[in-house]
Amino acid sequence: EDKVVQSPLSLVVHEGDTVTLNCSYEVTNFRSLLWYKQEKKAPTFLFMLTSSGIEKKSGRLSSILDKKELFSILNITATQTGDSAVYLCAQRPAAGNMLTFGGGTRLMVKP
Amino acid sequence: EPEVTQTPSHQVTQMGQEVILRCVPISNHLYFYWYRQILGQKVEFLVSFYNNEISEKSEIFDDQFSVERPDGSNFTLKIRSTKLEDSAMYFCASNNRTYEQYFGPGTRLTVT
Repeated sequence: EDKVVQSPLSLVVHEGDTVTLNCSYEVTNFRSLLWYKQEKKAPTFLFMLTSSGIEKKSGRLSSILDKKELFSILNITATQTGDSAVYLCAQRPAAGNMLTFGGGTRLMVKP
Repeated sequence: EPEVTQTPSHQVTQMGQEVILRCVPISNHLYFYWYRQILGQKVEFLVSFYNNEISEKSEIFDDQFSVERPDGSNFTLKIRSTKLEDSAMYFCASNNRTYEQYFGPGTRLTVT
């Protein structure tokens, strides 16, 4: 059974659109949730969320965690072609540091 | 900006051969990890390393795998006798006490 589930699997938008990516996780053994952007190779760190309801923001990207409903969203406003990538979320447990990744959302931004 | 580096970027080996993948974590980081990603699949945790010993390992990390920090900067993953199913992208990651894990560019291992 998947512990971290991302939706949608893929998304195609046009430049300037706003997108919302979803990540749901299991309640047991949760400490924090991390978002990464994966282009050709390495996952690049975006955000780590630990507290519910507190938005983290970096430029056009923002993310928030809902610990009651067990999900997080990643918003990207005014999308650009450079935002095209696979976006990964990962759960960090209460005990230990191993990350459990979701399957990712593949975002394609067309000019 | 400090980065995790990995060498080689691509390694081709024959089944049954030993391979060593190398990583240089970010210099002030204390926790080190190996993950792998088989083509088209999720990123999977292999092992974590702290204070010169393994702190966690997954079921994937069996007796064929080992890790070492041979000096103050390198962190290595050894696969003793490679199998076809070991073909994957192997990522090294590290973090300090904020626990934000930063990943290296990966080594693509191809076992033929």
